[in-house]
Amino acid sequence: SQTIHQWPATLVQPVGSPLSLECTVEGTSNPNLYWYRQAAGRGLQLLFYSVGIGQISSEVPQNLSASRPQDRQFILSSKKLLLSDSGFYLCAWSKSGPGYTFGSGTRLTVV
Amino acid sequence: GQSLEQPSEVTAVEGAIVQINCTYQTSGFYGLSWYQQHDGGAPTFLSYNALDGLEETGRFSSFLSRSDSYGYLLLQELQMKDSASYFCAVKDTGGFKTIFGAGTRLFVKA
Repeated sequence: SQTIHQWPATLVQPVGSPLSLECTVEGTSNPNLYWYRQAAGRGLQLLFYSVGIGQISSEVPQNLSASRPQDRQFILSSKKLLLSDSGFYLCAWSKSGPGYTFGSGTRLTVV
Repeated sequence: GQSLEQPSEVTAVEGAIVQINCTYQTSGFYGLSWYQQHDGGAPTFLSYNALDGLEETGRFSSFLSRSDSYGYLLLQELQMKDSASYFCAVKDTGGFKTIFGAGTRLFVKA
């Protein structure tokens, strides 16, 4: 069966520090991968999606970037965090079916 | 632009039926999905409608009218564990991206 792993679960980072969040999927190949961000009590904002290795589409211009160095690995990065980057970051995957499977999320607080 | 409208909160009594509406305005449409998210957790996929009509999955049903750009999620025999946020979401043309609504917080009372 397919599983998605996302870490860390919680992160507190100072303003101006770098960020790296990792997501891996097991049990499938060539999945579509996504990064979403959710502000407290709000909906999900699509940040990046990838349909293959090295293929990244950005939905929101900001100081975040994403990379897909391997087929089932998706990384969200920032060189310098802003206070506004705080939120709940969710990685998700999909393939032929209509639904997304989400990871357990990373709660990021920038202080 | 792309937008999905759904009520921010709904309150219902245990055992009752509740309907959560969603209207959408998107540049492309590939289907309407519904997700459930409990506090602190990740969203989980509930249902998907690509064509007009009603889809039933146990206590949950979802309806779509593409001509009205409208859908709803129907929850029957409400249980306390159904207290959660429910999001409607639209897949764009091509099916690679899904845009989510702001979510409806459902409170189930005893």
